[in-house]
Amino acid sequence: AQSVAQPEDQVNVAEGNPLTVKCTYSVSGNPYLFWYVQYPNRGLQFLLKYITGDNLVKGSYGFEAEFNKSQTSFHLKKPSALVSDSALYFCAVKAGNMLTFGGGTRLMVKP
Amino acid sequence: SAVISQKPSRDICQRGTSLTIQCQVDSQVTMMFWYRQQPGQSLTLIATANQGSEATYESGFVIDKFPISRPNLTFSTLTVSNLSPEDSSIYLCSVESGRNTEAFFGQGTRLTVV
Repeated sequence: AQSVAQPEDQVNVAEGNPLTVKCTYSVSGNPYLFWYVQYPNRGLQFLLKYITGDNLVKGSYGFEAEFNKSQTSFHLKKPSALVSDSALYFCAVKAGNMLTFGGGTRLMVKP
Repeated sequence: SAVISQKPSRDICQRGTSLTIQCQVDSQVTMMFWYRQQPGQSLTLIATANQGSEATYESGFVIDKFPISRPNLTFSTLTVSNLSPEDSSIYLCSVESGRNTEAFFGQGTRLTVV
């Protein structure tokens, strides 16, 4: 069975500073990895995915993520945080038809 | 991408009643998924709904409590039956346009049971 861990419940960062939201996974076979963002009272919005190819994946709103097979990690990054990036972020792994989510990390960007 | 309309966006229901949530997609999709997000928690898959067949439920979820309909390739409903306060959650529908593609989500239904 697959699983996803997001070790930080909350990440605090100052506006303009780089941010990292951590994610590690466990899955049999090749991983299909995703990041989603959830704003208050909204559904989940897709940010980016890794299926195959380049380990550095670029996504929406300036976010990127690096796939590291040896460390089974897929950390989300952004070079310069914005206050509007404050939201709940979910990492997910897909195996077969099933999408498994991590527990979520709340990102707080302070002005 | 897929645009998903989910209704209602929120509701407050009495114990013992039921709530039916509708999910309408702007394109035909093979599989639709229903998730529950309990307060402050992650998403948990309730069931997968395929058109023309019974829904497949995940461990801990049963058809009597969460009956699902999937009458065509663009529409599904989830009913949460015999409501109790523990059912207070956000319920989300989701679709995928292909095997290795990302999932798209409705805006969610926030259910409060009183």
